[in-house]
Amino acid sequence: EIVLTQSPGTLSLSPGDRATLSCRTSQSVSSTYLAWYQQKPGQAPRLLIYGVSSRATGIPDRFSGSGSGTDFTLTISRLEPEDFAVYYCQQYVSSRWTFGQGTKVEIK
Amino acid sequence: EVQLAQSGAEIKKAGESLRISCQGSRYTFSTYWIAWVRQMPGKGLEWMGIIYPDDSDTRYGPSFHGQVTMSVDKSTGTAYLQWSSLRASDTAMYFCARLMIASRDPYYAMDLWGQGTTVTVSS
Repeated sequence: EIVLTQSPGTLSLSPGDRATLSCRTSQSVSSTYLAWYQQKPGQAPRLLIYGVSSRATGIPDRFSGSGSGTDFTLTISRLEPEDFAVYYCQQYVSSRWTFGQGTKVEIK
Repeated sequence: EVQLAQSGAEIKKAGESLRISCQGSRYTFSTYWIAWVRQMPGKGLEWMGIIYPDDSDTRYGPSFHGQVTMSVDKSTGTAYLQWSSLRASDTAMYFCARLMIASRDPYYAMDLWGQGTTVTVSS
Protein backbone atom coordinates (compact mmCIF):
# COMPACT_ATOMS: atom_id res chain seq x y z
CA GLU A 1 0.00 0.00 0.00
CA ILE A 2 1.29 3.45 -0.90
CA VAL A 3 1.42 5.72 2.16
CA LEU A 4 0.91 9.45 1.69
CA THR A 5 2.38 11.82 4.28
CA GLN A 6 1.21 15.42 4.27
CA SER A 7 2.99 18.31 5.91
CA PRO A 8 2.58 20.44 7.80
CA GLY A 9 -0.36 19.18 9.82
CA THR A 10 -1.60 22.74 10.29
CA LEU A 11 -0.71 25.89 8.43
CA SER A 12 -1.60 29.20 10.11
CA LEU A 13 -1.73 31.99 7.54
CA SER A 14 -3.51 35.26 6.79
CA PRO A 15 -5.70 36.11 3.80
CA GLY A 16 -3.48 37.15 0.93
CA ASP A 17 -0.64 34.85 2.02
CA ARG A 18 0.81 32.12 -0.12
CA ALA A 19 0.18 28.55 1.08
CA THR A 20 2.45 25.65 0.22
CA LEU A 21 1.25 22.15 1.14
CA SER A 22 3.39 19.06 0.77
CA CYS A 23 2.47 15.44 0.04
CA ARG A 24 5.12 12.72 0.04
CA THR A 25 4.41 9.18 -1.17
CA SER A 26 6.13 6.03 0.07
CA GLN A 27 6.62 4.84 -3.51
CA SER A 28 7.01 6.70 -6.76
CA VAL A 29 3.65 7.72 -8.21
CA SER A 30 3.14 8.44 -11.88
CA SER A 31 2.20 12.05 -12.47
CA THR A 32 -1.13 10.93 -13.87
CA TYR A 33 -2.41 9.56 -10.59
CA LEU A 34 -2.24 12.15 -7.84
CA ALA A 35 -5.08 14.46 -6.79
CA TRP A 36 -5.83 17.14 -4.21
CA TYR A 37 -9.17 17.74 -2.48
CA GLN A 38 -10.49 20.54 -0.28
CA GLN A 39 -12.91 19.87 2.54
CA LYS A 40 -14.75 22.43 4.62
CA PRO A 41 -16.52 21.56 7.89
CA GLY A 42 -19.78 19.73 7.33
CA GLN A 43 -19.23 19.44 3.59
CA ALA A 44 -18.17 16.77 1.16
CA PRO A 45 -14.66 16.99 -0.27
CA ARG A 46 -14.20 18.90 -3.51
CA LEU A 47 -11.74 17.94 -6.24
CA LEU A 48 -9.20 20.71 -6.83
CA ILE A 49 -6.35 19.13 -8.79
CA TYR A 50 -5.98 15.84 -10.68
CA GLY A 51 -3.07 14.36 -12.58
CA VAL A 52 -0.73 16.34 -10.28
CA SER A 53 -1.30 19.69 -11.97
CA SER A 54 -4.63 19.85 -13.83
CA ARG A 55 -7.28 22.03 -12.23
CA ALA A 56 -10.74 20.55 -11.95
CA THR A 57 -13.70 22.35 -13.50
CA GLY A 58 -14.44 25.67 -11.83
CA ILE A 59 -11.31 25.76 -9.67
CA PRO A 60 -9.69 29.21 -9.63
CA ASP A 61 -6.18 29.59 -10.96
CA ARG A 62 -4.77 30.59 -7.59
CA PHE A 63 -4.68 26.83 -6.95
CA SER A 64 -1.83 24.96 -8.60
CA GLY A 65 -0.27 21.54 -8.25
CA SER A 66 3.22 20.36 -9.01
CA GLY A 67 5.71 17.61 -8.31
CA SER A 68 6.86 14.22 -9.47
CA GLY A 69 8.11 10.89 -8.19
CA THR A 70 7.43 10.96 -4.45
CA ASP A 71 7.16 14.70 -3.74
CA PHE A 72 4.10 16.72 -4.62
CA THR A 73 2.94 20.24 -3.75
CA LEU A 74 -0.31 22.15 -3.70
CA THR A 75 0.15 25.90 -3.82
CA ILE A 76 -2.49 28.52 -3.15
CA SER A 77 -0.98 31.74 -4.48
CA ARG A 78 -3.07 34.21 -2.46
CA LEU A 79 -5.39 32.89 0.20
CA GLU A 80 -8.99 34.01 0.03
CA PRO A 81 -11.26 33.75 3.10
CA GLU A 82 -13.04 30.76 1.55
CA ASP A 83 -9.77 28.81 1.18
CA PHE A 84 -9.39 28.10 4.89
CA ALA A 85 -10.16 24.40 5.02
CA VAL A 86 -8.54 20.96 5.17
CA TYR A 87 -6.69 19.69 2.13
CA TYR A 88 -6.05 16.04 1.25
CA CYS A 89 -3.82 14.47 -1.36
CA GLN A 90 -4.77 11.10 -2.83
CA GLN A 91 -3.09 8.57 -5.08
CA TYR A 92 -5.05 6.38 -7.45
CA VAL A 93 -2.33 4.48 -9.28
CA SER A 94 -2.57 1.23 -7.41
CA SER A 95 -5.71 -0.76 -6.84
CA ARG A 96 -5.47 0.30 -3.20
CA TRP A 97 -6.12 3.99 -3.28
CA THR A 98 -4.96 6.03 -0.32
CA PHE A 99 -5.35 9.54 1.08
CA GLY A 100 -2.90 11.61 3.04
CA GLN A 101 -3.90 12.52 6.58
CA GLY A 102 -4.71 16.11 5.61
CA THR A 103 -3.34 19.61 6.14
CA LYS A 104 -5.52 22.17 7.86
CA VAL A 105 -5.11 25.72 6.60
CA GLU A 106 -6.33 28.00 9.37
CA ILE A 107 -6.59 31.74 9.80
CA LYS A 108 -3.68 33.20 11.74
CA GLU B 1 -27.85 19.09 -12.52
CA VAL B 2 -25.48 16.13 -12.39
CA GLN B 3 -25.46 14.87 -8.82
CA LEU B 4 -25.16 12.03 -6.37
CA ALA B 5 -27.86 11.99 -3.71
CA GLN B 6 -27.25 9.90 -0.59
CA SER B 7 -29.76 8.48 1.84
CA GLY B 8 -30.41 10.08 5.20
CA ALA B 9 -28.73 9.73 8.56
CA GLU B 10 -29.00 6.40 10.36
CA ILE B 11 -28.94 5.55 14.06
CA LYS B 12 -28.46 1.87 14.76
CA LYS B 13 -27.46 -0.56 17.47
CA ALA B 14 -24.40 -2.77 17.33
CA GLY B 15 -25.18 -6.06 15.62
CA GLU B 16 -27.88 -4.63 13.37
CA SER B 17 -27.69 -4.60 9.60
CA LEU B 18 -27.76 -1.50 7.44
CA ARG B 19 -27.78 -0.49 3.81
CA ILE B 20 -27.20 3.09 2.68
CA SER B 21 -27.66 4.38 -0.84
CA CYS B 22 -26.23 6.78 -3.38
CA GLN B 23 -28.33 7.66 -6.43
CA GLY B 24 -26.81 9.27 -9.48
CA SER B 25 -28.76 11.57 -11.76
CA ARG B 26 -28.33 13.31 -15.09
CA TYR B 27 -25.43 11.21 -16.27
CA THR B 28 -24.90 7.68 -17.58
CA PHE B 29 -24.63 5.95 -14.23
CA SER B 30 -23.47 2.57 -15.50
CA THR B 31 -20.24 3.79 -17.11
CA TYR B 32 -18.64 5.68 -14.21
CA TRP B 33 -17.02 3.96 -11.27
CA ILE B 34 -18.48 4.81 -7.86
CA ALA B 35 -16.21 5.03 -4.82
CA TRP B 36 -17.08 4.94 -1.13
CA VAL B 37 -15.09 6.96 1.37
CA ARG B 38 -15.31 6.84 5.16
CA GLN B 39 -14.65 9.72 7.51
CA MET B 40 -14.71 8.89 11.19
CA PRO B 41 -15.54 11.73 13.61
CA GLY B 42 -12.80 14.35 13.56
CA LYS B 43 -10.60 12.25 11.29
CA GLY B 44 -9.42 12.14 7.70
CA LEU B 45 -10.68 10.43 4.56
CA GLU B 46 -10.34 6.67 4.05
CA TRP B 47 -10.91 4.96 0.73
CA MET B 48 -13.22 1.98 1.20
CA GLY B 49 -13.47 0.69 -2.35
CA ILE B 50 -14.94 1.16 -5.79
CA ILE B 51 -17.60 -0.49 -7.92
CA TYR B 52 -18.25 -0.35 -11.66
CA PRO B 53 -22.02 -0.29 -12.13
CA ASP B 54 -22.08 -1.83 -15.59
CA ASP B 55 -20.76 -5.22 -14.42
CA SER B 56 -20.49 -4.80 -10.62
CA ASP B 57 -16.70 -5.25 -10.68
CA THR B 58 -15.78 -4.34 -7.11
CA ARG B 59 -12.45 -3.61 -5.44
CA TYR B 60 -12.23 -3.20 -1.69
CA GLY B 61 -9.64 -1.44 0.39
CA PRO B 62 -7.74 -3.87 2.64
CA SER B 63 -9.34 -2.51 5.83
CA PHE B 64 -12.84 -2.97 4.47
CA HIS B 65 -12.68 -6.27 2.62
CA GLY B 66 -15.12 -8.63 4.32
CA GLN B 67 -16.50 -5.84 6.52
CA VAL B 68 -18.86 -4.19 4.03
CA THR B 69 -20.53 -5.07 0.75
CA MET B 70 -20.85 -2.73 -2.21
CA SER B 71 -23.54 -3.26 -4.82
CA VAL B 72 -25.47 -1.41 -7.49
CA ASP B 73 -28.88 -1.37 -9.14
CA LYS B 74 -28.34 -0.17 -12.68
CA SER B 75 -32.05 0.14 -13.32
CA THR B 76 -32.39 2.89 -10.72
CA GLY B 77 -28.87 4.31 -10.97
CA THR B 78 -28.21 3.56 -7.32
CA ALA B 79 -25.15 2.30 -5.50
CA TYR B 80 -25.35 0.70 -2.08
CA LEU B 81 -23.06 0.15 0.87
CA GLN B 82 -24.17 -2.42 3.39
CA TRP B 83 -23.21 -3.97 6.68
CA SER B 84 -24.51 -7.30 7.98
CA SER B 85 -23.56 -6.63 11.59
CA LEU B 86 -22.65 -3.10 12.63
CA ARG B 87 -20.05 -2.22 15.25
CA ALA B 88 -19.68 0.96 17.25
CA SER B 89 -16.46 1.57 15.29
CA ASP B 90 -18.56 1.91 12.11
CA THR B 91 -19.81 5.27 13.40
CA ALA B 92 -18.75 7.70 10.70
CA MET B 93 -19.79 9.83 7.76
CA TYR B 94 -19.84 7.87 4.50
CA PHE B 95 -19.45 9.57 1.16
CA CYS B 96 -20.02 8.18 -2.29
CA ALA B 97 -18.14 9.76 -5.18
CA ARG B 98 -17.93 9.34 -8.92
CA LEU B 99 -14.70 8.84 -10.79
CA MET B 100 -14.31 11.65 -13.27
CA ILE B 101 -14.01 9.69 -16.52
CA ALA B 102 -16.52 7.25 -18.03
CA SER B 103 -14.14 4.34 -18.44
CA ARG B 104 -13.65 0.74 -17.46
CA ASP B 105 -10.22 1.85 -16.25
CA PRO B 106 -10.58 2.93 -12.58
CA TYR B 107 -7.52 5.16 -12.32
CA TYR B 108 -9.10 8.57 -12.06
CA ALA B 109 -9.80 11.17 -9.40
CA MET B 110 -13.26 11.71 -7.91
CA ASP B 111 -15.02 14.76 -9.28
CA LEU B 112 -18.60 14.38 -8.08
CA TRP B 113 -19.47 13.70 -4.44
CA GLY B 114 -22.62 12.89 -2.57
CA GLN B 115 -23.55 14.96 0.47
CA GLY B 116 -22.63 12.16 2.85
CA THR B 117 -24.60 9.82 5.12
CA THR B 118 -23.99 9.89 8.85
CA VAL B 119 -24.10 6.48 10.50
CA THR B 120 -24.21 6.32 14.28
CA VAL B 121 -23.92 2.93 15.96
CA SER B 122 -24.49 2.59 19.68
CA SER B 123 -23.15 -0.29 21.68
